[in-house]
Amino acid sequence: GQQVMQIPQYQHVQEGEDFTTYCNSSTTLSNIQWYKQRPGGHPVFLIQLVKSGEVKKQKRLTFQFGEAKKNSSLHITATQTTDVGTYFCAGPISSGSARQLTFGSGTQLTVLP
Amino acid sequence: NAGVTQTPKFRILKIGQSMTLQCTQDMNHNYMYWYRQDPGMGLKLIYYSVGAGITDKGEVPNGYNVSRSTTEDFPLRLELAAPSQTSVYFCASSIDQPQHFGDGTRLSIL
Repeated sequence: GQQVMQIPQYQHVQEGEDFTTYCNSSTTLSNIQWYKQRPGGHPVFLIQLVKSGEVKKQKRLTFQFGEAKKNSSLHITATQTTDVGTYFCAGPISSGSARQLTFGSGTQLTVLP
Repeated sequence: NAGVTQTPKFRILKIGQSMTLQCTQDMNHNYMYWYRQDPGMGLKLIYYSVGAGITDKGEVPNGYNVSRSTTEDFPLRLELAAPSQTSVYFCASSIDQPQHFGDGTRLSIL
């Protein structure tokens, strides 16, 4: 079945360092979404990418969608303690309706002050 | 602005007991979903619904049942609780994308 994989599983950085998480799908995706889950919280939508090669920025966060629409990345510049949490990518399930998502296993980010 | 509301927030069950996890949304979203999240893992889709009266299985439906009698409510039923069902359960809703999540129900089966 369709798989969405994320690396790394865990990342510890010093405050001020950069951070990147990578997402790879076994199938071509019509879009990819990124969610953030704070410790003990629920996933919160960050962004959706639709176009091949698309790049979007939200302040210190940069999101990219690969040319083949099978991979994506999230880069955080100069991390802050507020960036702590788990970042998930998610793509539509190819065999289902466009609203069902397959989630990656997430990258848990720890920011050391 | 309540969004997606889940109850209870925490629950401990004994093996073999049954319970219903409640989920309600006030955004008039057609699509609703139930996920489970095991420690250190991503979200696995249990069941979903595209509207009142219509439900379908997700990736991990065994041991669960759902119903959708109204647009607002999408309860998840565990009939015979098993230790493997210890998890955090999230309900979500959407018009299309993205999905809006509730705060979750932390369920332990002992």
